[in-house]
Amino acid sequence: EVQLVESGGGLVQPGGSLRLSCAASGFSFSDFAMTWVRQAPGKGLEWVSSIVGISAGGSTYYADSVKGRFTISRDNSKNMLSLQMDSLRADDTAIYYCAKGDFLLDFWGQGTLVSVSS
Amino acid sequence: DIQMTQSPSSLSASVGDRVTITCRASQGISSYLAWFQQRPGKAPKSLIYAASSLHSGVPSRFSGSRSGTDFTLVISSLQPEDFATYYCQQYNSYPLTFGGGTKVEIK
Repeated sequence: EVQLVESGGGLVQPGGSLRLSCAASGFSFSDFAMTWVRQAPGKGLEWVSSIVGISAGGSTYYADSVKGRFTISRDNSKNMLSLQMDSLRADDTAIYYCAKGDFLLDFWGQGTLVSVSS
Repeated sequence: DIQMTQSPSSLSASVGDRVTITCRASQGISSYLAWFQQRPGKAPKSLIYAASSLHSGVPSRFSGSRSGTDFTLVISSLQPEDFATYYCQQYNSYPLTFGGGTKVEIK
């Protein structure tokens, strides 16, 4: 059974940093692309970033809204996906979901809440 | 970027009703279109991919179709557990983009 468990969310001041993690199990993690999607309170879904699998070279992709501030990475030895978030702004406040896949997002974690406020 | 325009933004329906939700892409995306269901306080759940293929375990009352750049999600007979918000998503190209969502409420 595929399981994705996010962690690392919390309250941070504007300009601060936070690192999210997503522990994956139930599938061959290194073979699959992974994606972060966020959802601001009461709003819709917004793609944040994707990273492809080893066989595809591990390329990364970012939404313009986070490019240069967020960094996606993966540790295939630990089946772990990460999102390093720097220079956080109030409009980054959202639930952050990790999802299996890059284009086709077939399984999602339960999400972790990030609140950016002074 | 490809814009996904979803309609209606909300609807009220009764158990047993047939429900139709539409999504229009701002440019051609072939059949690279997925539908998700999100219940309150829960993560999105994949329903349909490639415009009309049901994800494993999804009830057959859900169906999807494509006509050009217009896509449709149909729930043939609404059940109590179907009251939720539904999103379309294009995966033809980055950035991945989602429709604004359709909230299906109880009449």
